[in-house]
Amino acid sequence: SYVLTQPPSVSVAPGKTARITCGGNNIGSKSVHWYQQKPGQAPVLVIYYDSDRPSGIPERFSGSNSGNTATLTISRVEAGDEADYYCQVWDSSSDQHAVFGGGTQLTVL
Amino acid sequence: EVQLVQSGAEVKKPGESLKISCKGSGYSFTSYWIGWVRQMPGKGLEWMGIIYPGDSDTRYSPSFQGQVTISADKSISTAYLQWSSLKASDTAMYYCARRNRGWNDDYYYYYMDVWGKGTTVTVSS
Repeated sequence: SYVLTQPPSVSVAPGKTARITCGGNNIGSKSVHWYQQKPGQAPVLVIYYDSDRPSGIPERFSGSNSGNTATLTISRVEAGDEADYYCQVWDSSSDQHAVFGGGTQLTVL
Repeated sequence: EVQLVQSGAEVKKPGESLKISCKGSGYSFTSYWIGWVRQMPGKGLEWMGIIYPGDSDTRYSPSFQGQVTISADKSISTAYLQWSSLKASDTAMYYCARRNRGWNDDYYYYYMDVWGKGTTVTVSS
């Protein structure tokens, strides 16, 4: 089955830019979605279809996807952005089977 | 407002059965697939399976096939996740989520746009 690889942790200072990667074989050919999960809360969709933002998500959140890597970029990071972030695609063998990356814990220094 | 409201926390003993629920509101419940996601303590998100409440078409992740049953009652806009015999390893948070669909002039793409708050299941003797 398809495997998504994320770094376990990323640290960034407030006001700087955080980049969280999601690696997968030819992931550029798939649509990638990103979810934010704060401690004790349910996941929230922050980016869908590689780079689209749902309403209510700040413009500071952006996404890109090419080759074997998708990237979630958070500009002007705030303390409130501290959370776990998960990338997700659908398995090519079945558009009913979701695959999640292992998650990346974003720490705001 | 589109919402998925999940049933409350459960504490069960090994071998007991359990059915948890996820009630949709604010949208046409029968028109969107509902997925279930497990999160074990301190771990990541795992896909369990998905159901289309319109006709109860259900697909399971191979890891969960035979371990759980996903169902839905469209008359009350509710999806269910059930176990016939719980194990300690079923201790986890379980989320339901709505699968939405977009079109890019070439193909459909799908994403989980609305999530329930989760149901904590604790299995302990």
